[in-house]
Amino acid sequence: GIQVEQSPPDLILQEGANSTLRCNFSDSVNNLQWFHQNPWGQLINLFYIPSGTKQNGRLSATTVATERYSLLYISSSQTTDSGVYFCAVGETSGSRLTFGEGTQLTVNP
Amino acid sequence: ETGVTQTPRHLVMGMTNKKSLKCEQHLGHNAMYWYKQSAKKPLELMFVYSLEERVENNSVPSRFSPECPNSSHLFLHLHTLQPEDSALYLCASSPRTSGAKNIQYFGAGTRLSVL
Repeated sequence: GIQVEQSPPDLILQEGANSTLRCNFSDSVNNLQWFHQNPWGQLINLFYIPSGTKQNGRLSATTVATERYSLLYISSSQTTDSGVYFCAVGETSGSRLTFGEGTQLTVNP
Repeated sequence: ETGVTQTPRHLVMGMTNKKSLKCEQHLGHNAMYWYKQSAKKPLELMFVYSLEERVENNSVPSRFSPECPNSSHLFLHLHTLQPEDSALYLCASSPRTSGAKNIQYFGAGTRLSVL
């Protein structure tokens, strides 16, 4: 099956700092989603981005499908951004999402 | 609010108990999923249900039994669980099981502890 690697595994920032999270995947995909899991376990959809670039407020994401990676940018980070960020991909031939192990982000005041 | 509701939010059960987890989606989707999230591990897909197919993960023990009575409701029946089954169980739904823009939306999860 497809492999998904996220980096870094852990990231600690001061409030106001910018960060970049990376997701590498091993095969062609027709679905790529970024999620934020809050401390209570809720997975919140951030982006559906199998290719191209999208922006939503302080967050933006870019997927380069031909090179099999996606980046999530967080600018001017806030303490409420803390949590785990997951990348999940769906193979072109199938339906299921395969999740990476996530990046644990801690934003300190 | 994602449009996917799970109950209960927390569950503590003994190894001899029988319990059920419930998931309901209000998004008009045709596919629903159960995932398991154990500590320090990625989400693992357990089951996929849709109008077109039921996909079971053969590695899921038979003590987990899914039921999908209609496209809006999904249950996970639990019996004779083991302590290692303690985890966060997440339900998701999507418009279909494959194809472009098949975005999955997740519920808040049920945190299960098996004593």
